[in-house]
Amino acid sequence: DIVLTQSPDSLAVSLGERATINCKSSQSVLYSSNNKNYLAWYQQKPGQPPKLLIYWASTRESGVPDRFSGAGSGTDFTLTISSLQAEDVAVYYCQQYYNTPRTFGQGTKLEIK
Amino acid sequence: EVQLVETGGGLIQPGGSLRLSCAASGFSVSSNYMSWVRQAPGRGLEWVSVIYSGGGTHYADSVKGRFTISRDNSKNTLFLQMNSLRDEDTAMYYCAREREDYGLVLDYWGQGTLVTVSS
Repeated sequence: DIVLTQSPDSLAVSLGERATINCKSSQSVLYSSNNKNYLAWYQQKPGQPPKLLIYWASTRESGVPDRFSGAGSGTDFTLTISSLQAEDVAVYYCQQYYNTPRTFGQGTKLEIK
Repeated sequence: EVQLVETGGGLIQPGGSLRLSCAASGFSVSSNYMSWVRQAPGRGLEWVSVIYSGGGTHYADSVKGRFTISRDNSKNTLFLQMNSLRDEDTAMYYCAREREDYGLVLDYWGQGTLVTVSS
């Protein structure tokens, strides 16, 4: 199974500042046939299901604010929120869909400093 | 509008059985890959099972042999039959669609149904 390790486990950032979350995979999730990374990012607010933010490691889902961006390839990925807003307080998960079983990172809790 | 509504959760004793349902609208369950994902209280996300559009299935090792995923195309509904339930199966269970043109990422999720396994 592919293991995804997120860092940090929790993060406190001031409003308007940048937040960066890392996700490291135990093996590459890059398919050489199409040069796409099968890595997604989700946001989960309390009492709600996860919401898809980013797929293909860097493609924003429709309706997701452009302050959210994803980067990386192979085994190392980042989710960046360029200017933190109050509504961004949530737990963020990376997930690989390169193979089955699909696996998730352990989550990163983002709070306001 | 795509919508997923899970039902069937509740309190069940260890060793018991429960069947979860996920009613879909706005798309066809039979034409998509559909997954179940669970989340134990205060914990992270754990993928449980998938049913492919062709009908094939796959399970996490933690539930293999105890859980069965299926669907009723006429009712556009996904199911998860859970047998031999254990304390560690206590979780919120979400159904989710895997979007094929995004590489099978989970693009829509239901609100979840809570399963509590306890004596």
